[in-house]
Amino acid sequence: EIVLTQSPGTLSLSPGERATLSCRASQSVVKNFLAWYQQKPGQTPRLLIYGASTRATGIPDRFSGSGSGTDFTLSISRLEPEDSAVYYCQQYGSSPLTFGEGAKVEIK
Amino acid sequence: EVQLVESGGGLVQPGGSPRLSCAASGFTFNNYWINWVRQVPGKGLAWVSRIDPGGISTIYADSVKGRFTVSRDNAKNTVYLQMNSLGAEDTAVYFCVRQARDEPLDYWGQGTLVTVSS
Repeated sequence: EIVLTQSPGTLSLSPGERATLSCRASQSVVKNFLAWYQQKPGQTPRLLIYGASTRATGIPDRFSGSGSGTDFTLSISRLEPEDSAVYYCQQYGSSPLTFGEGAKVEIK
Repeated sequence: EVQLVESGGGLVQPGGSPRLSCAASGFTFNNYWINWVRQVPGKGLAWVSRIDPGGISTIYADSVKGRFTVSRDNAKNTVYLQMNSLGAEDTAVYFCVRQARDEPLDYWGQGTLVTVSS
């Protein structure tokens, strides 16, 4: 099983700043099948990034993903209040599928 | 419009055996894998199970293997999750989520809450 470790656990930033979230895998993610999801309170997760770096439909270009192998990053530039949420990485390249534990982004 | 609607949750006695349903619409159902993902309220996401488009191949998380069974009826555009021998640790919101081959989990249902308590 691939274990995904996200850091930091919580990030508190001001509007306009840049958030950088890390996701480290315990072994190489097959075909870089790594996705990022955003979940706001009371809502279902929303797909942001897949294939490590491809934005999903309708996702603003403030969100970007990078990385390969075992180290992946989600960057959110020009933070807006609406970006306050928990962000999860997830690998879908091998079974069992696994999620990271989540990283909370707070907007001051 | 793609829709996934879960049902079958509720209060269940320890050891109980509810069956969850996931009714799909708005897409070609038998082209997609369907996953079950659960979330303890206030906690993170945990993948539970997946079934392939033909209903032949299934996989499970170790935490539910041998207790949960996923199946589908493509004529009814519905996936089922039969849950047996439930314990308090199975209390969670259960989501069904669509996935195409080699693609991420994209559309999520709203979830159904299963509470295991006496």
